[in-house]
Amino acid sequence: QSVLTQPPAASGTPGQRVTISCSGGRSNIGKNPVNWYQRLPGTAPKLLIYSDNQRPSGVPDRFSGSKSGTSASLAISGLQSEDEADYYCAVWDNSLHAWVFGGGTKLTVL
Amino acid sequence: QVQLQESGPGLVKPSGTLSLNCTVSGGSISGYYWSWIRQPPGKELEWIGNFYDSGSSNYNPSLKSRVTISVDTSKNQFSLKLSSVTAADTAVYHCARGKQWLAYWYFDLWGRGTLVTVSS
Repeated sequence: QSVLTQPPAASGTPGQRVTISCSGGRSNIGKNPVNWYQRLPGTAPKLLIYSDNQRPSGVPDRFSGSKSGTSASLAISGLQSEDEADYYCAVWDNSLHAWVFGGGTKLTVL
Repeated sequence: QVQLQESGPGLVKPSGTLSLNCTVSGGSISGYYWSWIRQPPGKELEWIGNFYDSGSSNYNPSLKSRVTISVDTSKNQFSLKLSSVTAADTAVYHCARGKQWLAYWYFDLWGRGTLVTVSS
């Protein structure tokens, strides 16, 4: 049972807007900022969003993050074929005293 | 551009010690914290631990008794040692860099990962 719950799969067509959710609890998302990562096949995970909604330089503004209560979301607008990847949320858990990760969402661009 | 590269044996015997290195190229090892994260086949990512620039470290409580992370600034490298391994420790092991923003930390850079299999 994952501490953070993500849908295993999501899909969209080019140009569409897709949202990926990450559901946690009061000891993690409810207390600490959420980070999002993208992993393309055979590559290192790449930071997309940090501290709930901050984009590192170089990440397109098509990617955005938000949080409400104990859930966070990653939104991808203007979906492109190169966005096809696995997406993970991560947050520090105050009860477990550990970083915890979501199970990952495989995004397919149809 | 800073890159992280994991290296080490791909096969470790049960009850042995898993040892991995992460080489930091293109940048300094100072000013950040350095982490190991693993992903067993078909399972989610699991944080192993961090080593801070100050010399302190903290580990996942579930692995703490078996883990040591250290940094060799002269080689721009940090390492992971995991003792008394079992088949459950079979995973892709990633090294990662931790960066601070305001009061918070996040992993801003990852290595591609290396598969370590525990088997006799």
